[in-house]
Amino acid sequence: SQQGEEDPQALSIQEGENATMNCSYKTSINNLQWYRQNSGRGLVHLILIRSNEREKHSGRLRVTLDTSKKSSSLLITASRAADTASYFCATYQIFSNDYKLSFGAGTTVTVRA
Amino acid sequence: DAGVTQSPTHLIKTRGQQVTLRCSPKSGHDTVSWYQQALGQGPQFIFQYYEEEERQRGNFPDRFSGHQFPNYSSELNVNALLLGDSALYLCASSLGGFGETQYFGPGTRLLVL
Repeated sequence: SQQGEEDPQALSIQEGENATMNCSYKTSINNLQWYRQNSGRGLVHLILIRSNEREKHSGRLRVTLDTSKKSSSLLITASRAADTASYFCATYQIFSNDYKLSFGAGTTVTVRA
Repeated sequence: DAGVTQSPTHLIKTRGQQVTLRCSPKSGHDTVSWYQQALGQGPQFIFQYYEEEERQRGNFPDRFSGHQFPNYSSELNVNALLLGDSALYLCASSLGGFGETQYFGPGTRLLVL
């Protein structure tokens, strides 16, 4: 089963509006990452937030992390048509000699002009 | 600075055949991970190669095998193809085996008929 689950599965907004998506996970993590995927191609790393951080910003992106609730949110402000994509959260866990990066099923965001 | 490259971009095979997918990591990266992404799903971890060895493996059968070459490039081999192997296969590179941020290639779309 997947570690992270995004909500909602799909989101449609008007250009200029904000888009918010959430990610819940099951076990403790070292960090949580958000990726974007355009049209079923390769994933692009957007932002990484560590388990001891609560909020992080990168341009129009704002990510929060609540480890007590095992959840994260990604906010895209002032959305543009180019933000139309699928967004995935991925949890990163370090074990003694290995790491594990587990992806959720993603949120599909459509930005209408 | 060359990013992650994958070949071929598309591939059509029939059930029972074998396929080899190729990946060249981002310049300076030494770790390659392979993921399978079914339509509408998040990427599922297949395995990771570091120092020319398979370091860890996801929940995939032995039909899936790989190799890493001294120049850090990698191959993914799938034997006895099944219809369910149809997916986008993504290669991601990172540095040092525990790379937190993974850089993804554009993927190879495999269709098994």
